Amino acid sequence: DAKTTQPNSMESNEEEPVHLPCNHSTISGTDYIHWYRQLPSQGPEYVIHGLTSNVNNRMASLAIAEDRKSSTLILHRATLRDAAVYYCIGRTSGSRLTFGEGTQLTVNP
Amino acid sequence: DAGVTQSPTHLIKTRGQHVTLRCSPISGHKSVSWYQQVLGQGPQFIFQYYEKEERGRGNFPDRFSARQFPNYSSELNVNALLLGDSALYLCASSLTSGHLSGANVLTFGAGSRLTVL
Repeated sequence: DAKTTQPNSMESNEEEPVHLPCNHSTISGTDYIHWYRQLPSQGPEYVIHGLTSNVNNRMASLAIAEDRKSSTLILHRATLRDAAVYYCIGRTSGSRLTFGEGTQLTVNP
Repeated sequence: DAGVTQSPTHLIKTRGQHVTLRCSPISGHKSVSWYQQVLGQGPQFIFQYYEKEERGRGNFPDRFSARQFPNYSSELNVNALLLGDSALYLCASSLTSGHLSGANVLTFGAGSRLTVL
């Protein structure tokens, strides 16, 4: 898997948008960009993934830079339930995911 | 639909003992992976099984072993436990082995918390 770099922590206020950045400058042309999050005392949960185009689902949006060296996970309206560690993963084929230390998101009421 | 289920949820062992952790994947999922998560770190890949065959192994000693059964459930075994084996052990399932696509999505269970004293 490609190496990714994320900030250790970020803070947001409830009901405001959150932009979580990820750098993956060594990503190859066929590596997908995956985001998982881990709430306290739970296993990681899939959030979203993409290859080249921006992606939207019910949980979030993923904006991928044109050169694919970075991406941003967007939570449109943060809630207290979104407080978690967010992992960005540059995924090659295979079932192995290489997790970094992720970004701890704190959401203030 | 039931998600990925793991048992036991918590257990305490002493050094030198053996432990078996169990995982039932989502119905229809044929691939099971195991991860170890030490406190404060991201999960680390241990094994992947697909159709009862090992498809990948992470950088863990031979004390760690696993197998997958005909019903696609899986067991992770750890022998000669060390204090450093204390961790959350996570199981994840997916529809395919993922060899054909990096788009494959994993569904994780809540984990088994192992404490070694």
